[in-house]
Amino acid sequence: GENVEQHPSTLSVQEGDSAVIKCTYSDSASNYFPWYKQELGKGPQLIIDIRSNVGEKKDQRIAVTLNKTAKHFSLHITETQPEDSAVYFCAASRTGGFKTIFGAGTRLFVKA
Amino acid sequence: DAGVTQSPTHLIKTRGQQVTLRCSPKSGHDTVSWYQQALGQGPQFIFQYYEEEERQRGNFPDRFSGHQFPNYSSELNVNALWLGDSALYLCASSSRSRENYGYTFGSGTRLTVV
Repeated sequence: GENVEQHPSTLSVQEGDSAVIKCTYSDSASNYFPWYKQELGKGPQLIIDIRSNVGEKKDQRIAVTLNKTAKHFSLHITETQPEDSAVYFCAASRTGGFKTIFGAGTRLFVKA
Repeated sequence: DAGVTQSPTHLIKTRGQQVTLRCSPKSGHDTVSWYQQALGQGPQFIFQYYEEEERQRGNFPDRFSGHQFPNYSSELNVNALWLGDSALYLCASSSRSRENYGYTFGSGTRLTVV
């Protein structure tokens, strides 16, 4: 069945450094790749997404890249801040209302 | 603009009992998806409702059922509760008609089965 693998499971960086989280997906028909941030006691929040017709997308300190051939996609956070500390989930789906499959999550710690 | 509202926020049930969880989607959204999130894991897809019908289902037994109402709100029902059903249940809304597939999640219902 469909699967999304996410690495690393835990990531600790110094404030100001960059953080990179990597994911792979198995369903070659996937064409929509969102990223979610989950803080303690809250539901996941959509922070950025990318569709398969583009290879990269940026929003301020956050960027996502997609390699459809290799079925890899990554989240890059630059100039990390303590408030970036949270659990991040990658996900994959097909547009048109199909289910979204989530990775297992990456717990990011940003040390001040 | 209210986001996704879930109720109750916490619930304690005994094995074998039944539970109903409720969700009101974000204004303008027509699709509701339910997820189960065990501690330290990613959300697992239970099912999705659109136009009052179950459109897709994940690998969950028939003990899990749901409903969507004409106002797009939704319920998740779980019968014959097991200890393993203890988890955070998340409701996510999106808009299939507007081709907006990113989810807006509620804060979840924390279910504990004892």
